[in-house]
Amino acid sequence: DQQVKQNSPSLSVQEGRISILNCDYTNSMFDYFLWYKKYPAEGPTFLISISSIKDKNEDGRFTVFLNKSAKHLSLHIVPSQPGDSAVYFCAASAAGGTSYGKLTFGQGTILTVHP
Amino acid sequence: NAGVTQTPKFQVLKTGQSMTLQCAQDMNHNSMYWYRQDPGMGLRLIYYSASEGTTDKGEVPNGYNVSRLNKREFSLRLESAAPSQTSVYFCASRVGGPGYGYTFGSGTRLTVV
Repeated sequence: DQQVKQNSPSLSVQEGRISILNCDYTNSMFDYFLWYKKYPAEGPTFLISISSIKDKNEDGRFTVFLNKSAKHLSLHIVPSQPGDSAVYFCAASAAGGTSYGKLTFGQGTILTVHP
Repeated sequence: NAGVTQTPKFQVLKTGQSMTLQCAQDMNHNSMYWYRQDPGMGLRLIYYSASEGTTDKGEVPNGYNVSRLNKREFSLRLESAAPSQTSVYFCASRVGGPGYGYTFGSGTRLTVV
């Protein structure tokens, strides 16, 4: 049972435009959500996170939006740059219980930004 | 500052062989994790260690064992490798609570033939 889903395997955008990556989750116990970026032959690197008590978090060109009622989050990259081309993973974590601290990842979305 | 170091980077095993994947972090992090990445599956948690001296199973622990040797080191052992264990393995560590991101190593690409 995939608790975190990224339904778009790939996304292609033009340089300078907005990239929107989507993620859905099913476990209502999740209360932290994170985005990671991964280049080939490297480990994932942490991009941005959001707590369930917020609906938006910004860091430079990256903004994450959380819609708890829909169990949906999205990552917006504005403006997109060719160096943003990578695989993006959505991840979720629960603050308590047996799931404490463990991240559950989505399948990933390959973002390609064309010059 | 090296972060999380994994060795080896590549390995080819024959079915039934054993090996240990090594992981060390120099950031004084308490929690350490082993994930595997497979196409279309994302990253799946194999085992984790919330603190020195403790280990727990993750989502896909079968066929693996782990050792938290000390605060810095967390190793993953395949006792009898199977083709289904062909994957890219990532070790990660984390400094704080659930909202903090992991720091990942660069991965070990393992092929079992």
